Amino acid sequence: AQSVAQPEDQVNVAEGNPLTVKCTYSVSGNPYLFWYVQYPNRGLQFLLKYITGDNLVKGSYGFEAEFNKSQTSFHLKKPSALVSDSALYFCAVRDTGHTGGFKTIFGAGTRLFVKA
Amino acid sequence: DGGITQSPKYLFRKEGQNVTLSCEQNLNHDAMYWYRQDPGQGLRLIYYSQIVNDFQKGDIAEGYSVSREKKESFPLTVTSAQKNPTAFYLCASSMGWVAGGPNNEQFFGPGTRLTVL
Repeated sequence: AQSVAQPEDQVNVAEGNPLTVKCTYSVSGNPYLFWYVQYPNRGLQFLLKYITGDNLVKGSYGFEAEFNKSQTSFHLKKPSALVSDSALYFCAVRDTGHTGGFKTIFGAGTRLFVKA
Repeated sequence: DGGITQSPKYLFRKEGQNVTLSCEQNLNHDAMYWYRQDPGQGLRLIYYSQIVNDFQKGDIAEGYSVSREKKESFPLTVTSAQKNPTAFYLCASSMGWVAGGPNNEQFFGPGTRLTVL
Protein backbone atom coordinates (compact mmCIF):
# COMPACT_ATOMS: atom_id res chain seq x y z
CA ALA A 1 0.00 0.00 0.00
CA GLN A 2 1.16 3.51 -0.70
CA SER A 3 2.15 5.73 2.21
CA VAL A 4 3.91 8.97 2.98
CA ALA A 5 5.86 9.88 6.11
CA GLN A 6 6.87 13.31 7.29
CA PRO A 7 9.03 12.48 10.30
CA GLU A 8 9.11 15.97 11.80
CA ASP A 9 5.98 17.56 13.25
CA GLN A 10 7.76 20.92 13.35
CA VAL A 11 10.87 22.51 11.89
CA ASN A 12 12.35 25.69 13.32
CA VAL A 13 14.81 27.79 11.35
CA ALA A 14 16.18 31.33 11.53
CA GLU A 15 15.44 33.73 8.71
CA GLY A 16 18.16 33.63 6.08
CA ASN A 17 19.23 30.09 6.94
CA PRO A 18 18.59 27.12 4.66
CA LEU A 19 15.60 24.93 5.44
CA THR A 20 14.76 21.28 4.81
CA VAL A 21 11.41 19.57 5.33
CA LYS A 22 11.68 15.80 5.08
CA CYS A 23 9.43 13.34 3.26
CA THR A 24 9.73 9.62 2.60
CA TYR A 25 7.30 7.48 0.66
CA SER A 26 6.34 3.91 -0.12
CA VAL A 27 4.67 2.86 -3.38
CA SER A 28 4.40 -0.26 -5.50
CA GLY A 29 5.05 1.43 -8.83
CA ASN A 30 6.74 4.64 -9.86
CA PRO A 31 5.80 7.59 -7.66
CA TYR A 32 4.35 10.92 -8.60
CA LEU A 33 5.41 13.24 -5.74
CA PHE A 34 4.03 16.62 -4.74
CA TRP A 35 4.59 19.33 -2.15
CA TYR A 36 1.81 21.65 -0.99
CA VAL A 37 1.70 24.51 1.51
CA GLN A 38 -1.21 25.54 3.73
CA TYR A 39 -1.70 28.86 5.51
CA PRO A 40 -4.11 29.05 8.49
CA ASN A 41 -7.74 28.28 7.68
CA ARG A 42 -7.03 28.07 3.97
CA GLY A 43 -6.89 25.40 1.31
CA LEU A 44 -3.61 23.93 0.11
CA GLN A 45 -1.45 25.55 -2.54
CA PHE A 46 0.74 23.58 -4.93
CA LEU A 47 4.51 24.17 -4.67
CA LEU A 48 6.19 21.62 -6.92
CA LYS A 49 6.09 18.08 -8.26
CA TYR A 50 8.29 15.25 -9.46
CA ILE A 51 6.97 13.07 -12.26
CA THR A 52 10.09 11.98 -14.13
CA GLY A 53 13.41 13.39 -15.32
CA ASP A 54 15.81 15.49 -13.27
CA ASN A 55 15.93 14.53 -9.62
CA LEU A 56 16.11 18.19 -8.54
CA VAL A 57 12.80 19.94 -9.04
CA LYS A 58 12.31 23.69 -8.72
CA GLY A 59 9.00 25.20 -7.72
CA SER A 60 7.23 28.28 -6.46
CA TYR A 61 8.59 30.86 -4.01
CA GLY A 62 12.19 29.64 -4.33
CA PHE A 63 11.47 26.12 -3.08
CA GLU A 64 13.07 23.02 -4.56
CA ALA A 65 12.95 19.32 -3.82
CA GLU A 66 15.27 16.42 -4.48
CA PHE A 67 13.95 13.03 -5.52
CA ASN A 68 16.09 10.15 -4.23
CA LYS A 69 14.86 6.80 -5.47
CA SER A 70 17.25 4.67 -3.43
CA GLN A 71 16.26 6.38 -0.20
CA THR A 72 12.61 6.78 -1.29
CA SER A 73 12.75 10.41 -0.24
CA PHE A 74 11.55 13.73 -1.60
CA HIS A 75 12.82 16.41 0.78
CA LEU A 76 11.72 20.03 0.35
CA LYS A 77 14.47 22.65 0.53
CA LYS A 78 15.04 26.38 0.31
CA PRO A 79 18.45 28.07 0.41
CA SER A 80 17.34 31.07 2.47
CA ALA A 81 14.20 31.00 4.62
CA LEU A 82 11.80 33.93 4.99
CA VAL A 83 9.46 34.65 7.90
CA SER A 84 6.62 34.49 5.38
CA ASP A 85 7.52 30.84 4.68
CA SER A 86 6.06 29.91 8.06
CA ALA A 87 3.18 27.56 7.29
CA LEU A 88 2.11 23.91 7.22
CA TYR A 89 3.76 21.82 4.51
CA PHE A 90 2.39 18.59 3.07
CA CYS A 91 4.09 15.93 0.99
CA ALA A 92 1.82 13.79 -1.22
CA VAL A 93 2.23 10.76 -3.46
CA ARG A 94 0.35 9.04 -6.26
CA ASP A 95 1.27 5.48 -7.14
CA THR A 96 1.42 4.67 -10.83
CA GLY A 97 1.24 1.00 -9.87
CA HIS A 98 -2.04 1.51 -8.07
CA THR A 99 -5.30 1.04 -9.92
CA GLY A 100 -7.01 4.37 -10.38
CA GLY A 101 -3.94 6.54 -10.51
CA PHE A 102 -5.68 9.59 -9.13
CA LYS A 103 -5.76 8.39 -5.54
CA THR A 104 -3.48 10.71 -3.59
CA ILE A 105 -2.03 10.04 -0.17
CA PHE A 106 -0.86 12.95 1.97
CA GLY A 107 1.62 13.02 4.82
CA ALA A 108 0.59 14.31 8.23
CA GLY A 109 2.20 17.67 7.57
CA THR A 110 5.20 19.55 8.97
CA ARG A 111 4.81 22.95 10.55
CA LEU A 112 7.61 25.32 9.61
CA PHE A 113 8.48 28.23 11.89
CA VAL A 114 10.90 30.81 10.56
CA LYS A 115 12.16 33.20 13.23
CA ALA A 116 13.23 36.72 12.38
CA ASP B 1 -7.91 28.96 -4.00
CA GLY B 2 -8.91 30.40 -7.34
CA GLY B 3 -11.36 28.43 -9.45
CA ILE B 4 -12.81 26.25 -6.71
CA THR B 5 -15.47 27.41 -4.32
CA GLN B 6 -16.77 25.66 -1.23
CA SER B 7 -19.81 26.59 0.76
CA PRO B 8 -20.63 27.25 3.44
CA LYS B 9 -17.41 28.33 5.14
CA TYR B 10 -18.75 27.26 8.54
CA LEU B 11 -21.43 24.63 9.15
CA PHE B 12 -23.02 23.39 12.32
CA ARG B 13 -24.74 20.03 12.53
CA LYS B 14 -27.01 18.62 15.15
CA GLU B 15 -26.83 14.99 16.20
CA GLY B 16 -28.62 12.70 13.72
CA GLN B 17 -28.74 15.30 10.98
CA ASN B 18 -27.45 14.93 7.42
CA VAL B 19 -25.63 17.91 5.94
CA THR B 20 -24.32 18.60 2.44
CA LEU B 21 -21.15 20.49 1.64
CA SER B 22 -20.93 22.18 -1.72
CA CYS B 23 -17.92 22.16 -4.06
CA GLU B 24 -17.92 23.88 -7.46
CA GLN B 25 -15.05 24.38 -9.91
CA ASN B 26 -14.79 26.40 -13.11
CA LEU B 27 -11.38 25.03 -14.14
CA ASN B 28 -12.82 22.44 -16.55
CA HIS B 29 -11.16 19.69 -14.52
CA ASP B 30 -12.30 16.10 -14.86
CA ALA B 31 -11.08 14.86 -11.49
CA MET B 32 -12.39 16.01 -8.13
CA TYR B 33 -11.63 14.98 -4.54
CA TRP B 34 -12.88 15.33 -0.98
CA TYR B 35 -10.51 15.30 1.98
CA ARG B 36 -10.97 15.54 5.70
CA GLN B 37 -8.34 17.37 7.77
CA ASP B 38 -7.94 16.74 11.48
CA PRO B 39 -5.16 18.21 13.63
CA GLY B 40 -2.00 16.12 13.46
CA GLN B 41 -3.43 13.69 10.89
CA GLY B 42 -2.95 15.55 7.68
CA LEU B 43 -5.45 15.07 4.89
CA ARG B 44 -7.40 11.84 4.53
CA LEU B 45 -9.17 10.99 1.29
CA ILE B 46 -12.93 10.49 1.57
CA TYR B 47 -14.03 10.11 -2.06
CA TYR B 48 -12.64 10.94 -5.47
CA SER B 49 -14.03 11.14 -8.96
CA GLN B 50 -11.99 10.79 -12.13
CA ILE B 51 -14.84 11.75 -14.45
CA VAL B 52 -18.47 12.78 -14.34
CA ASN B 53 -20.93 10.07 -13.22
CA ASP B 54 -18.13 8.05 -11.65
CA PHE B 55 -16.56 8.09 -8.19
CA GLN B 56 -14.54 5.83 -5.89
CA LYS B 57 -14.23 5.47 -2.16
CA GLY B 58 -11.14 6.78 -0.50
CA ASP B 59 -9.69 5.64 2.79
CA ILE B 60 -12.44 6.95 5.10
CA ALA B 61 -15.67 6.81 3.07
CA GLU B 62 -17.90 5.35 5.81
CA GLY B 63 -20.61 7.80 6.84
CA TYR B 64 -20.18 9.95 3.74
CA SER B 65 -21.78 10.01 0.30
CA VAL B 66 -21.12 11.92 -2.92
CA SER B 67 -22.55 12.47 -6.38
CA ARG B 68 -20.98 13.64 -9.62
CA GLU B 69 -23.83 14.54 -11.95
CA LYS B 70 -22.06 17.55 -13.43
CA LYS B 71 -18.42 18.13 -14.26
CA GLU B 72 -18.36 21.33 -12.24
CA SER B 73 -19.92 20.01 -9.05
CA PHE B 74 -18.99 17.33 -6.47
CA PRO B 75 -21.17 17.71 -3.34
CA LEU B 76 -20.38 15.76 -0.18
CA THR B 77 -23.09 14.62 2.23
CA VAL B 78 -22.10 13.90 5.80
CA THR B 79 -24.68 11.45 7.08
CA SER B 80 -25.78 10.67 10.62
CA ALA B 81 -23.76 7.45 10.32
CA GLN B 82 -20.55 9.48 10.56
CA LYS B 83 -19.94 9.43 14.29
CA ASN B 84 -17.23 12.04 14.52
CA PRO B 85 -17.78 14.53 11.71
CA THR B 86 -16.24 17.60 13.33
CA ALA B 87 -13.34 18.51 11.01
CA PHE B 88 -12.12 20.79 8.25
CA TYR B 89 -13.26 19.53 4.83
CA LEU B 90 -11.31 20.32 1.69
CA CYS B 91 -12.39 19.85 -1.91
CA ALA B 92 -9.88 19.70 -4.76
CA SER B 93 -9.77 19.18 -8.51
CA SER B 94 -7.20 18.28 -11.13
CA MET B 95 -6.98 17.69 -14.84
CA GLY B 96 -8.01 14.32 -16.19
CA TRP B 97 -6.50 11.60 -18.34
CA VAL B 98 -6.58 13.59 -21.56
CA ALA B 99 -4.30 16.21 -20.01
CA GLY B 100 -1.83 13.83 -18.37
CA GLY B 101 -3.96 12.36 -15.63
CA PRO B 102 -2.18 11.71 -12.34
CA ASN B 103 0.74 13.89 -13.49
CA ASN B 104 -1.27 16.92 -12.55
CA GLU B 105 -1.35 18.78 -9.29
CA GLN B 106 -4.55 19.43 -7.38
CA PHE B 107 -6.20 22.81 -6.88
CA PHE B 108 -7.88 23.22 -3.52
CA GLY B 109 -10.90 25.15 -2.36
CA PRO B 110 -10.87 27.28 0.81
CA GLY B 111 -12.50 24.60 2.94
CA THR B 112 -15.61 24.13 5.09
CA ARG B 113 -15.33 23.79 8.84
CA LEU B 114 -18.01 21.46 10.16
CA THR B 115 -18.87 21.36 13.84
CA VAL B 116 -21.28 19.00 15.55
CA LEU B 117 -23.35 20.65 18.25
